[in-house]
Amino acid sequence: GESVGLHLPTLSVQEGDNSIINCAYSNSASDYFIWYKQESGKGPQFIIDIRSNMDKRQGQRVTVLLNKTVKHLSLQIAATQPGDSAVYFCAEIYYNQGGKLIFGQGTELSVKP
Amino acid sequence: DGGITQSPKYLFRKEGQNVTLSCEQNLNHDAMYWYRQDPGQGLRLIYYSQIVNDFQKGDIAEGYSVSREKKESFPLTVTSAQKNPTAFYLCASSMSSYNEQFFGPGTRLTVL
Repeated sequence: GESVGLHLPTLSVQEGDNSIINCAYSNSASDYFIWYKQESGKGPQFIIDIRSNMDKRQGQRVTVLLNKTVKHLSLQIAATQPGDSAVYFCAEIYYNQGGKLIFGQGTELSVKP
Repeated sequence: DGGITQSPKYLFRKEGQNVTLSCEQNLNHDAMYWYRQDPGQGLRLIYYSQIVNDFQKGDIAEGYSVSREKKESFPLTVTSAQKNPTAFYLCASSMSSYNEQFFGPGTRLTVL
């Protein structure tokens, strides 16, 4: 869904642990989703995407799961490293509005060494 | 070195002044976008362009204007009509509206 409020959910993990970041989306007709990583003061960086004809997609150390029944996405990061510390956003693409991205609220991931 | 560039990185403006933010891409992408980000929030779409010489309003277009005279360039003007312009502005591009968007480094605008 769209970003609301000023307080980001936070997730704190120990270095080497796995992280799971969750996101709910609003449009049941959405069929393309992207996870972005944003470090402080920088633009969002593409991590991984998934289309609605899949329920799982794997990249390097990252996995995205899609549950269309409950309109839920998750991003799993394996063996989390200090360099993974950032804010993570899920986004859904609205094709009928020129490819507009609708961003979720974001989750701040903090990795403790 | 391919990518999206935005300039300047930091911009200060007095109330009542118009300012123009630059966005250039050499990825040969057709679609370009401008987003605004406020502290602790996600991005909101200001304007987008799917092709040269054409652009559409996004969700928060009031007080902003754009042009798309060249494929690689999509400048954003923040006018004095924008009531709360202090924010982080991000430009993005994609091959088409069906593809992932890639973002520039952003411009932080502060109104004094």
